[in-house]
Amino acid sequence: DAKTTQPTSMDCAEGRAANLPCNHSTISGNEYVYWYRQIHSQGPQYIIHGLKNNETNEMASLIITEDRKSSTLILPHATLRDTAVYYCIVRVVDTGNQFYFGTGTSLTVIP
Amino acid sequence: GAVVSQHPSWVICKSGTSVKIECRSLDFQATTMFWYRQFPKQSLMLMATSNEGSKATYEQGVEKDKFLINHASLTLSTLTVTSAHPEDSSFYICSARDQGGTSRYFGPGTRLLVL
Repeated sequence: DAKTTQPTSMDCAEGRAANLPCNHSTISGNEYVYWYRQIHSQGPQYIIHGLKNNETNEMASLIITEDRKSSTLILPHATLRDTAVYYCIVRVVDTGNQFYFGTGTSLTVIP
Repeated sequence: GAVVSQHPSWVICKSGTSVKIECRSLDFQATTMFWYRQFPKQSLMLMATSNEGSKATYEQGVEKDKFLINHASLTLSTLTVTSAHPEDSSFYICSARDQGGTSRYFGPGTRLLVL
């Protein structure tokens, strides 16, 4: 039960911003939204997480809607190395903090 | 940032043998570690949750007698695939939770090929 919905795939031109949406309409008030990415044949890499407020770090920005039912991960200037599968995960606090992965969004950055 | 390592990164074995995969947290103590399996072109599937000093909790459909998990210390968890068969060939990934519980770090994965 991944609790999130993401588009299967997206393309983005190199140098442009990549905006990856995620729906989590059943999120609870104390559940965080996490974003990870997985480059082919590697382990997932942490990107960012948030609860209510928008967050920004050196990799990306996370925009969470006021009702918290959806969020958008923004890679401000996509590079070819950002080609990966991006996973949006809601932390299920009532089941031992396991992370369940959905199908993710396969982002292809095009030269 | 925190680092999680796995060993080996690649293993090829004959059908019927057992394979042990190690997961270590290198610069933090992990009271809880998670084991995932990923088949080609699919997402990660959680197999089990491993708590230091206690028995692992397995997800529905995962055979606990086939996938033995030991979490003997705060920095090491092992997954043993017993009597491996070709259908066990997969990418196995571990994850560790820091003691604060808010961050999750993933290992680089171990690719298992059973001939």
